[in-house]
Amino acid sequence: AQSVTQPDIHITVSEGASLELRCNYSYGATPYLFWYVQSPGQGLQLLLKYFSGDTLVQGIKGFEAEFKRSQSSFNLRKPSVHWSDAAEYFCAVSGGTSYGKLTFGQGTILTVHP
Amino acid sequence: SQTIHQWPATLVQPVGSPLSLECTVEGTSNPNLYWYRQAAGRGLQLLFYSVGIGQISSEVPQNLSASRPQDRQFILSSKKLLLSDSGFYLCAWSPGTGALGGYTFGSGTRLTVV
Repeated sequence: AQSVTQPDIHITVSEGASLELRCNYSYGATPYLFWYVQSPGQGLQLLLKYFSGDTLVQGIKGFEAEFKRSQSSFNLRKPSVHWSDAAEYFCAVSGGTSYGKLTFGQGTILTVHP
Repeated sequence: SQTIHQWPATLVQPVGSPLSLECTVEGTSNPNLYWYRQAAGRGLQLLFYSVGIGQISSEVPQNLSASRPQDRQFILSSKKLLLSDSGFYLCAWSPGTGALGGYTFGSGTRLTVV
């Protein structure tokens, strides 16, 4: 069965600092990987996704993520965090079946200090 | 363009009362539809998914049920709510190709059972 682990429940950074959110997945074949962001009381918005090809993917809002098969990781990064990035971030994996079921990690809450 | 509507946004219900949450998708045909629940500190848990009218798959045994009476309508129900049913419920859709097309989430329903 597929699974996702986000080791950090809560991360605090200062505005302007760099950010890396960790994600490790478990899946027997080539995974489809996603990062979503959720503002309080809202639905989820897709930041970026990886299916194949270049292992460094660019997303919206200046985020990027790197797929490392050898480490089973898909970490999210941003070079300079803005106060508006404060939210909860979810990593997700799918096996790419016809129904495309996504399995999510537990989420990482990001707090940004001014 | 495709849009997803979910209502109500907030709901407070007594224990033992029935529940009906509705989700509709516009601008697409034959979508895959999903109900997720988000409990505090527990990430997102897939409850049900549907690949077509009348086709419902349940991921976890629980006090809830789902139905898909029309192609773009997905309903989450309960005959008698439990305290443990409290949470944030999210509806999502993806193209028939599954995760390849990405998930789009509704804005969610905050359910409090009292």
